[in-house]
Amino acid sequence: EVHLEQSGAEVKKPGESLKISCQGSGYDFATYWIAWVRHMPGKGLEWMGIIYPGDSDTAYSPSFQGQVTISADKSVRAAYLEWSTLKASDSAMYYCARASSGGPFDFWGQGTLVTVSS
Amino acid sequence: SYVLTQAPSVSVAPGQTARITCGGDNIGGRNVHWYQQKPGQAPVLVVYDSSDRPSGIPERFSGSNSGNTATLTIIGVEVGDEADYFCQVWNPSNDHRVFGGGTKLTVL
Repeated sequence: EVHLEQSGAEVKKPGESLKISCQGSGYDFATYWIAWVRHMPGKGLEWMGIIYPGDSDTAYSPSFQGQVTISADKSVRAAYLEWSTLKASDSAMYYCARASSGGPFDFWGQGTLVTVSS
Repeated sequence: SYVLTQAPSVSVAPGQTARITCGGDNIGGRNVHWYQQKPGQAPVLVVYDSSDRPSGIPERFSGSNSGNTATLTIIGVEVGDEADYFCQVWNPSNDHRVFGGGTKLTVL
């Protein structure tokens, strides 16, 4: 059974760094893309970027390019979303989701709630 | 960048048919995917490649796509269908994905 398990909720202060994770199981992790999606309260879904764990090929939304770093380690079947300097406006729920090349996001993680507050 | 336009809200009575649209330039030439998101839950894929249904999704959910509009149709709407619905496409030229702004379906 395909499953994406995300790391737990985080509470951080502005200016701090953060790396959240998404662990895949039940399928060949290296051969499916993993995307990150932001969901802010009362807002829509925003595609942030995507990575292919097999070769770490990565694409970013222009809105998030330079703001976050997406990485993956296929040896531990995990993808990551990282901030070097958090802002209050980064407070949101973040989802990872699996996709084949050009295909839909067919499986989603449970979400990681990030709260950035002084 | 490619823009997908959805109406903010749609309201229907139980048992009626809901049609949720997603507008985009020549969207009929692209594969459109639809997601249902209920409060506090992760999104769920309900239609992919414009008109296919994943296993486990009721036949009440269907999709169509032509010209500049893709449509998610829910026949015999139930109270449990009340949710936000998002359309999404892939841009093969740069591997980017795009979501529509979402439509809140209210079942009166």
